Amino acid sequence: DAGITQSPRHKVTETGTPVTLRCHQTENHRYMYWYRQDPGHGLRLIHYSYGVKDTDKGEVSDGYSVSRSKTEDFLLTLESATSSQTSVYFCAIRVFGREITDTQYFGPGTRLTVL
Amino acid sequence: SQQGEEDPQALSIQEGENATMNCSYKTSINNLQWYRQNSGRGLVHLILIRSNEREKHSGRLRVTLDTSKKSSSLLITASRAADTASYFCATAEGGANSKLTFGKGITLSVRP
Repeated sequence: DAGITQSPRHKVTETGTPVTLRCHQTENHRYMYWYRQDPGHGLRLIHYSYGVKDTDKGEVSDGYSVSRSKTEDFLLTLESATSSQTSVYFCAIRVFGREITDTQYFGPGTRLTVL
Repeated sequence: SQQGEEDPQALSIQEGENATMNCSYKTSINNLQWYRQNSGRGLVHLILIRSNEREKHSGRLRVTLDTSKKSSSLLITASRAADTASYFCATAEGGANSKLTFGKGITLSVRP
């Protein structure tokens, strides 16, 4: 699992409330990603980070913000959750070997339900 | 929007048979990868093929890439019930800040 944990693993919240999901890695990888997975859509990139305090938007970033104040943690925040944000959220890291590679390793996921 | 489009969307085969899954994409890529996802779990990387490669093997997996047709195929030989999962292709443009773009996935069921 490349030392990736996500918390919480399950969350039920109400529309309009703020929600923060945490991704934690233990191996000092520079690149981290947040995806959401929905039936019929596969995985879609929300935000990613290429270093501490360096983040950028992905394909479906509206309604989400991220922060990365230290290498090991990448936080995803829904400022005001909506029912359309009900989804399974995955964090991933990108691992470099002897050469630059795009291979990613995924966390176990967080199932978020917004009522 | 999705870069990769897998085909078929669902596949059901008998244990011991081969499973072939296809992926098509739209723009130039640096590499293409296949991932597996077991129910309720995160994705697991299976194999990566670069744009200058045509075929690659890893155990029971064989992946091909045809950049002229912008397509790839994943072959799983001698399938097992444990191969039952969803399979995703993902494309990457390459470079330091390269991102993966995933298809919608193929659901493979291997009947014992």
